[in-house]
This record gives sequence, C-alpha cells and structure tokens, in this order.
Amino acid sequence: QVQLVQSGAEMKKPGASVKVSCKASGYTFTAFYIHWVRQAPGQGLEWMGWINPNSGGTTYAQEFQGGVTMTTDTSISTAYMELSGLKSDDTAVYYCARATYGTSGYQHLDNWGQGTLVTVSS
Amino acid sequence: DIVMTQSPLSLPVTPGEPASISCRSTRSLLHSSGHNFLDWYVQKPGQSPQLLIYLAYNRASGVPDRFIGSGSGTDFTLKISRVEAEDVGVYYCMQALQTPPFTFGPGTRVDIK
Repeated sequence: QVQLVQSGAEMKKPGASVKVSCKASGYTFTAFYIHWVRQAPGQGLEWMGWINPNSGGTTYAQEFQGGVTMTTDTSISTAYMELSGLKSDDTAVYYCARATYGTSGYQHLDNWGQGTLVTVSS
Repeated sequence: DIVMTQSPLSLPVTPGEPASISCRSTRSLLHSSGHNFLDWYVQKPGQSPQLLIYLAYNRASGVPDRFIGSGSGTDFTLKISRVEAEDVGVYYCMQALQTPPFTFGPGTRVDIK
C-alpha cells in the first residue's frame, strides 16, 4: 500500500534551517507529484508547494519563495523540504502528500505523511 | 488568489442525524473540462488530513457513501447523511483550479453533541 513516512520532530533556533524528509513506498515514486502543506498549532492547512519527482521541477507558494527548497532523491524514493531563515511563526507540523495528477492539470492529495513537527524557539 | 470560506466553523452533531457543511470560493471553480476543481479533506483528531471527496462529488477510495459532495461554480456542500461517532474531526474544502497556490477553507470542526 502507499506510504509516506516523514522524518522526526525538529527543534531549531530562529534563523536556522530545517530539512524534512518524506520517504515514499508502495508506488512508482516518479509518477506522482509531492506536495508540502503545513499546519501551525491549532490552525488550518497552508499549502507550500509541490515538486515533480520525474523532472525535479518545482512550484512554490509566493509567500515561501526564496525561503523553501523542495528536492527529491529518486534513488531512494524520498522527497525533501528545506526551510531556511526560520522564525517562530514557522513552528508547525509539516506534511508531505502525494498528488494524483489528472487530465486538465487537476491534482488532488490522495495520500499524506504522518507529519513532522518543527519547533522554532530561542 | 482564490479565497475559500466555510460555514459553519463549528458543527455539533447528533449521531444518526444528517450534517451539512457549506464551502464558497471567490471565483468559479468550474474548469472548461466541465469538472469543478474542489476537494474535501478531513482531519480526524491526532491524524493527518485525508482525502474525502475530489472533483466536488467523487468519493475517495474507502469513503462511506454517507458522505455526499455537491455543488458547482462557487458554492459547494458536503453532506453527511447519518453522522457516526467516527466522523468527528475538522473538514476542509480546497480549491485546485487556480494554482499556485492551492487554497484551503478555514475548516469546520464537527463534534458530537
């Protein structure tokens, strides 16, 4: 079955960077996009961007451009999300999610990782 | 960016009774293909979000038929025909038409009365 297993919780100081991994199994990794979504404590869902593991192409939400980098290592079916210049309001659970890409460019997020808590505190 | 709103934001429900959540977008989500690019996700307590409904009315794999998605354009509804205790959680609508960004509604918290 499809599984996305994320790396463990991280605690970082303001200004630092964090890199979260998302290991995929149960499907052909390069055939589906990977999205990243975050959720601040007690808040809703915020979309960050996606990566096409086949091409390495990325699309980021405007508010994260310049601060986020999404990459993949297809040899180990793993996606990464690196966030730099961390601030306290980057404290959140970060989720990876597999996207099924349909006709007309439509995507929906059909499998999600378990989430990785990133805490930013001095 | 397309802004998504939901109502109500909190919905106490009685098991066995129906429940309904409204989702509205600031722009039509109807694509030229004839499909509405609107999904519903649910986040049960302590869990990751999971796909419930895609393209406005298609149930995701394993989703019980008591979950019914409807609507078109800018107005959408998720109905639970008979609520069960396991349906407790936060329900989000999300637009996938004008991206980036994908945008979520604020969420509707469903709990048992």
